[in-house]
Amino acid sequence: GENVEQHPSTLSVQEGDSAVIKCTYSDSASNYFPWYKQELGKGPQLIIDIRSNVGEKKDQRIAVTLNKTAKHFSLHITETQPEDSAVYFCAAYEGGSYIPTFGRGTSLIVHP
Amino acid sequence: DAGVIQSPRHEVTEMGQEVTLRCKPISGHNSLFWYRQTMMRGLELLIYFNNNVPIDDSGMPEDRFSAKMPNASFSTLKIQPSEPRDSAVYFCASRPVAGGTGELFFGEGSRLTVL
Repeated sequence: GENVEQHPSTLSVQEGDSAVIKCTYSDSASNYFPWYKQELGKGPQLIIDIRSNVGEKKDQRIAVTLNKTAKHFSLHITETQPEDSAVYFCAAYEGGSYIPTFGRGTSLIVHP
Repeated sequence: DAGVIQSPRHEVTEMGQEVTLRCKPISGHNSLFWYRQTMMRGLELLIYFNNNVPIDDSGMPEDRFSAKMPNASFSTLKIQPSEPRDSAVYFCASRPVAGGTGELFFGEGSRLTVL
């Protein structure tokens, strides 16, 4: 089955800096890669996603890049703000599967 | 829509007691998922349903765990008897389409503590 590795497990940045979270996946047939944000005491919520026919996608301060050859994808957050502090999960859908495999999560702390 | 609704939000119980967690998915959604979240193991899929039918329960830890979906608007996850290692946050999520790779909508979770 699919295996998703996520790094780092914790990331501490100053407000205004950029943050990058990286994930690798094992199944070359994986075709959909969502990112979820989990705020304290809440459930994860989708913030951005990318499909395998696209190399990059942006939505205001967040962007996701995908390298199919290397089988890795990354979340980029620019001009970080304290409200970006949360746990971020990447996920991958194994080819032919409708069930996501989640990474272990990255705890992002943005210091004012 | 109110989103996915889970109850109780917090449950503290003693080892050996029965625990029932409840979930109301978003109206019209055809898939429902139960996840368990712990620091050690992250988000683990326990079971999922399509159109009220259990499709894959291979993530259910053992026979002490059971899940039902008697209708499209309600699901339960039951642990009997509960053990301290079952302490975790349990999430229910729903998705509009039974097949496909659409967004999962998570509830706010049920935090279970087994003493």
